Amino acid sequence: ETGVTQSPTHLIKTRGQQVTLRCSSQSGHNTVSWYQQALGQGPQFIFQYYREEENGRGNFPPRFSGLQFPNYSSELNVNALELDDSALYLCASSLAAQIGETQYFGPGTRLLVL
Amino acid sequence: AQRVTQPEKLLSVFKGAPVELKCNYSYSGSPELFWYVQYSRQRLQLLLRHISRESIKGFTADLNKGETSFHLKKPFAQEEDSAMYYCALSPWGGNKLVFGAGTILRVKS
Repeated sequence: ETGVTQSPTHLIKTRGQQVTLRCSSQSGHNTVSWYQQALGQGPQFIFQYYREEENGRGNFPPRFSGLQFPNYSSELNVNALELDDSALYLCASSLAAQIGETQYFGPGTRLLVL
Repeated sequence: AQRVTQPEKLLSVFKGAPVELKCNYSYSGSPELFWYVQYSRQRLQLLLRHISRESIKGFTADLNKGETSFHLKKPFAQEEDSAMYYCALSPWGGNKLVFGAGTILRVKS
């Protein structure tokens, strides 16, 4: 059984650019959640995708957008990057989106915005 | 508003000493509560959840609805328990997570 994978592991962008982060969910999982973890803080929920539809969104501006594909892998897109977007971005997958379903986390993508 | 508070950034104890990592939450309904752990160079993983009422690696956590707390306890700390611990809640109806800021546990020999 393959765990959650994310790519790339690190990247550096400049302010105003756009970035796409990718996540492959664990086998059999149809739900993907994205989190932003700033230095010294806990992960913050960005949004969740369930069977290719957005299923809830945290307090993030519209320049944070996402997609989920038929194979349940997912992308996080961030437009017009700001310095404060520098963080670790975590993806987590679960068997479903109901309460009680364990989320399994990937290793994260570390984004630095200069 | 949903919020999880972990008042200690760092907790340092000696091996064999009892451990209590504090977690308080605010939520108007009945959330599900979790403890997640991140060991050095590993990914974030679930340690335990309140609904299972289980003990994992000697850790337990009791939900106190009156005090809105979900403290993590272990009677005798081991060096391998050194890690970052996050308390989290899932609002009723889904499995999205609201995390606290985390507590680093250091177990000294």
